Order: sequence, then C-alpha cells, then structure tokens
Amino acid sequence: DIVMTQSPDSLAVSLGERATINCKSSRSVLYSSNNKNYLAWYQQKPGQPPKLLIYWASTRESGVPDRFSGSGSGTDFTLTISSLQAEDVAVYYCQQYYTTIFTFGPGTKVDVK
Amino acid sequence: QVQLQESGPGLVKPSQTLSLTCTVSGGSISSGSYYWSWIRQPAGEGLEWIGRIYSSGSTNYNPSLKSRVTTSVDTSKNQFSLKLSSVTAADTAVYYCTRGRMIAGTNDAFDIWGQGTMVTVSS
Repeated sequence: DIVMTQSPDSLAVSLGERATINCKSSRSVLYSSNNKNYLAWYQQKPGQPPKLLIYWASTRESGVPDRFSGSGSGTDFTLTISSLQAEDVAVYYCQQYYTTIFTFGPGTKVDVK
Repeated sequence: QVQLQESGPGLVKPSQTLSLTCTVSGGSISSGSYYWSWIRQPAGEGLEWIGRIYSSGSTNYNPSLKSRVTTSVDTSKNQFSLKLSSVTAADTAVYYCTRGRMIAGTNDAFDIWGQGTMVTVSS
C-alpha cells in the first residue's frame, strides 16, 4: 500500500494569512503515461462529509474558491490556502488514487489564530 | 444533482454482520464513468477506504478488510450495498458511501459523498 503522511498535524493561522499543508506519499503517484499525479485534497468540516477540493494534485474542483491551490509532483505535495477565511476552519486530507487500494493521509487541522 | 444516502442499522452486535445500503438519486448508478465506494471514519480519526464496486459488479477491496467485506450493486434500484461480517468494536465508525470518477479508464477522486451513517458495534 502507498502510505500517506501529512504535516503539520495542526496549524493556526490568522484570518487573511496563508496556510500551507504538506503531504508525502511513500512512493510516487505520478503516472508516467499521462504525466498526471493521482493525488486529491479534501476538506472536512465538523459533522460533515469530506468535500473534494483538488484533484490531479493541482486542478480545483468546480465551485472551489481560487484561494485554494495544490502543487507538487511525484511524492511531495502541498495544499495552500492563500488567504484564510473563517469558513476554512476544517480538517484537510490528502488521498492517493494511483493504486486501487486508495489511501488517505491522517489529516491536518486548520484553525484561526 | 446527484446525491447519495446511506441507510441501515445504527447498532450491530459483536460477531454479527453490518449491512448498509447507499441509494443514488439524481443520476444513474449504471454510468460507466463512475465507481462506487464505501469509506469509514472512526470518531475523531481519519478516513479508511473499504472497497469499491462498478455497475458491472466488479469489485476491489482493502486487503485489511477483504476477508470480511462484500459489496453488491442493484442497478434496478439505483443502489449499492456493503456487508461487513464478524464485526467488533473496532468497526464502530461513520460509514460513507461515495462516488468516484473514472477518466479515460483510470481512477479519479471521490467527488460526491453521502452524509454518512454512524454504526456502533455493541452488545
């Protein structure tokens, strides 16, 4: 299985400031035949199911604000919230879909400082 | 607007079988562009993928649960189901049904999630 790790476990950011979350996979999730990274990011607010934010490591899902961006390739990825809003308080998960045994990172909790 | 809704008992006794159904509304489960998965989340913990099924009935399961998991699909009812046998307290979790996209024959992310249903394993 591909093991996903995230850092930090939690972070507190002032409103309007940048939040950066890192995700690392135990092996590459870059598919060479199409040059796509099989990596997604989800946002989960308390009492709600996860919501897809980013797929193919950097493509925003329809309707997701452009303050959310994804980057990285191979084994190292980043989710950036460029200007934190109060409604962004949530736990964020990365997930690989390179292998059929889909795996998630442990999550990063984002709070307002 | 496709929506997913889980249903099933909220309380299951140890050693028994957990059974859940996911009803798909607003779209057809038979679309070849999607796969249908179950994911669970113990309270305060992360997400664990359980397995997936295509409308054809083809399945893939998490090896850690494979010996206890069965999924099925009923295209006439636009539903898919999960059975998890020999449950223990460790199976207590919120269970989500999800839709995963297929693009050009390869996996894509989970784009639609049900609200989740809490299942407690206790005598």
